[in-house]
Amino acid sequence: AQTVTQSQPEMSVQEAETVTLSCTYDTSESDYYLFWYKQPPSRQMILVIRQEAYKQQNATENRFSVNFQKAAKSFSLKISDSQLGDAAMYFCAYRSRGSAGGTSYGKLTFGQGTILTVHP
Amino acid sequence: NAGVTQTPKFQVLKTGQSMTLQCAQDMNHNSMYWYRQDPGMGLRLIYYSASEGTTDKGEVPNGYNVSRLNKREFSLRLESAAPSQTSVYFCASSLGGAGGNTIYFGEGSWLTVV
Repeated sequence: AQTVTQSQPEMSVQEAETVTLSCTYDTSESDYYLFWYKQPPSRQMILVIRQEAYKQQNATENRFSVNFQKAAKSFSLKISDSQLGDAAMYFCAYRSRGSAGGTSYGKLTFGQGTILTVHP
Repeated sequence: NAGVTQTPKFQVLKTGQSMTLQCAQDMNHNSMYWYRQDPGMGLRLIYYSASEGTTDKGEVPNGYNVSRLNKREFSLRLESAAPSQTSVYFCASSLGGAGGNTIYFGEGSWLTVV
């Protein structure tokens, strides 16, 4: 079974600074997908960024980028020019390529989350 | 831009009562899911429906039943609520069940069982 670990329960950053959130995962699969979701106090789960394991290039979405190290099974999220609206719980998640009827079909495995505080 | 809509948003139940959480998506997605989130934890999969007419157990299915009413709607039923089912419940959907399809979530339903 896959596991996802976020070792930082809480992180803080000054507005306009850069912060990196860590995530490691354990899997025996070679093809999979990784995601970062943001959960503000409203509890809405918002997709921030996704990475396909077969792609070596790190994904980027505006101020958000990842450092994907497949051999080390590491998937960190970097937030540049942090804004007050970035304050939230961030979840790292793993998803197998999967196939209909397979045991991992549809399953998104989440880490425990990291609470990010942004100071003005 | 409705996306995934869940009702109700908040519910308080007494132990032993039953209730159904409703979910609908307007993105023409084939796969739908129910997750629960407990304090300090990530989301865990309760049940999923790969396509209309099929449902399968996820990681924590005990105490729940589901119905895929049609392509748009996927309901979660608690037959006899227990305090351990106090949680935030999320419905979600994706175009397909394979890993490359991004999962989109509803806003969550807060359920308290007393």
